[in-house]
Amino acid sequence: DGGITQSPKYLFRKEGQNVTLSCEQNLNHDAMYWYRQDPGQGLRLIYYSQIVNDFQKGDIAEGYSVSREKKESFPLTVTSAQKNPTAFYLCASSREREGQDTQYFGPGTRLTVL
Amino acid sequence: GQQLNQSPQSMFIQEGEDVSMNCTSSSIFNTWLWYKQDPGEGPVLLIALYKAGELTSNGRLTAQFGITRKDSFLNISASIPSDVGIYFCAGAQGGSEKLVFGKGMKLTVNP
Repeated sequence: DGGITQSPKYLFRKEGQNVTLSCEQNLNHDAMYWYRQDPGQGLRLIYYSQIVNDFQKGDIAEGYSVSREKKESFPLTVTSAQKNPTAFYLCASSREREGQDTQYFGPGTRLTVL
Repeated sequence: GQQLNQSPQSMFIQEGEDVSMNCTSSSIFNTWLWYKQDPGEGPVLLIALYKAGELTSNGRLTAQFGITRKDSFLNISASIPSDVGIYFCAGAQGGSEKLVFGKGMKLTVNP
């Protein structure tokens, strides 16, 4: 089945450690995105990538890093510089097609920093 | 960043009732999307709207792209307990793949 997978579902880390969240899609989508969701909040864009080997900062990129070495994969690293990393992280993807900006989401990873 | 104004923020209804929610903006959007999110899961796309004035149905769901391109609404008819969740609207302004999201509407359906 085509879709977006995120792993792991739950992740626990000690303060000061970097952690990498996985996102893979087999939809042949060009664009991929990372969002952060906090309780009672909407989705906030961290980073996005429209093409392999290229990515742009979103609204809250500080303390995060990404890479896009393959079309299917867009891992997110939460670094120790992120002051409040505990949150629900969502990955999404979309086709590069004018007028069709529909994004499809993965199941999410809940990160808890102890 | 920019956000859409989504209202109401929460609703409590009885099973079988209809429910309506909307999103507004001071800016024009070229695409309106409606998502549903269950607790601990990613948002699932319900309806996508690409043309001003467009009215689209998906089962018991109906959504419209406002003629001014600054608003959209979603109706759910004959609600059932599995309709419980958070409903998000999202808009795209074109020329960029970035979406702008509403804060969500939490729906509770009492059996």
